[in-house]
Amino acid sequence: GPKVLQIPSHQIIDMGQMVTLNCDPVSNHLYFYWYKQILGQQMEFLVNFYNGKVMEKSKLFKDQFSVERPDGSYFTLKIQPTALEDSAVYFCASSLDWGKNTLYFGAGTRLSVL
Amino acid sequence: QQQVRQSPQSLTVWEGETTILNCSYEDSTFDYFPWYRQFPGKSPALLIAISLVSNKKEDGRFTIFFNKREKKLSLHITDSQPGDSATYFCAASNRGSALGRLHFGAGTQLIVIP
Repeated sequence: GPKVLQIPSHQIIDMGQMVTLNCDPVSNHLYFYWYKQILGQQMEFLVNFYNGKVMEKSKLFKDQFSVERPDGSYFTLKIQPTALEDSAVYFCASSLDWGKNTLYFGAGTRLSVL
Repeated sequence: QQQVRQSPQSLTVWEGETTILNCSYEDSTFDYFPWYRQFPGKSPALLIAISLVSNKKEDGRFTIFFNKREKKLSLHITDSQPGDSATYFCAASNRGSALGRLHFGAGTQLIVIP
């Protein structure tokens, strides 16, 4: 089936540094999402993105977070600066049509902030 | 506030038994309920979904039963197989509003013993 690729699979950084998580969504998809999962808890919505703009974001999407997809390349989540509580697995997802809500997820990037 | 709750947190069954996974939700505006399955180290993938217009949705060995009045769903897996061992996430959304924003439960980890 359609695949969403996330790079890297694991990232370890020091608190206060900047990190960029990369996502290669399904090629013809138009809607992109980031979800955050702390170990043992549910995936929680961070943000969705369509036509170059953030459409909706949750309270978890702090001011230190930003997303972009320059020129149809990777859909990225940048955290600057990072904090200890940002340690989690971040899942990228994409969908063709928001109405159908069939989200295709990547395998996640495990972020460890030390 | 947790919008979607799942039980049990983990479950072990013997091969051939019927597995029942439970899900409940709070928001009465939710009208779409997908179940995602995640194998260790892999992406969550859509398994089966039901909308508000149905009481039951069947796909092979997987069946969703939906009690709208009580806002409860259950996923039944008949003739459970070791290959069904995974984490199952119940999710919910309101397709009329948020752009594909899914609210996930914390998941049920299923182990099927041969």
